[in-house]
Amino acid sequence: GENVEQHPSTLSVQEGDSAVIKCTYSDSASNYFPWYKQELGKGPQLIIDIRSNVGEKKDQRIAVTLNKTAKHFSLHITETQPEDSAVYFCAADERDDKIIFGKGTRLHILP
Amino acid sequence: DTGVSQNPRHKITKRGQNVTFRCDPISEHNRLYWYRQTLGQGPEFLTYFQNEAQLEKSRLLSDRFSAERPKGSFSTLEIQRTEQGDSAMYLCASSQDFREQFFGPGTRLTVL
Repeated sequence: GENVEQHPSTLSVQEGDSAVIKCTYSDSASNYFPWYKQELGKGPQLIIDIRSNVGEKKDQRIAVTLNKTAKHFSLHITETQPEDSAVYFCAADERDDKIIFGKGTRLHILP
Repeated sequence: DTGVSQNPRHKITKRGQNVTFRCDPISEHNRLYWYRQTLGQGPEFLTYFQNEAQLEKSRLLSDRFSAERPKGSFSTLEIQRTEQGDSAMYLCASSQDFREQFFGPGTRLTVL
């Protein structure tokens, strides 16, 4: 089955700087790669996703890149703000049935 | 608020008791997923339904766990003879086919 590895587990960046979170996956058949943000006491919320027919997708300050050959994908957050502090999860699909999550990155935005 | 609701939000029970959680998905969504999340980990897939049919169950779902979605709308997850290792956040998500999954706020279970 699919296995998703995520790094780093914790990331601290100065407000206004960029944050990058990286993930690798094992199943070359995976086609769908969502990113979720989870705040304390809440369920995960989808912030951006990418499918394997594109290499990059951008939505305001958030971008995701995908390298299918290397089986890795990354989340980039630019001009970080205090409200970006949260836990971020990458995920990959398994057989279009379900998604498998990474272990998460706790992002701290420092004032 | 994603439109997915879960009840109760918190449940404290004693070891050996049975508990049942409910999930109400977004009404037009045909898929409903259950996940378990422990501290410092990502959500782990437990099972999912397409309409009322349960299509897959994870090996994490022991015989003490059962899930239903009787009319293809809300779903229940029951844990029998709870153990301390069952303490976790139980998350429900819904989607239309295999598209964006919308998560509920979760039910936090504490087994004493």
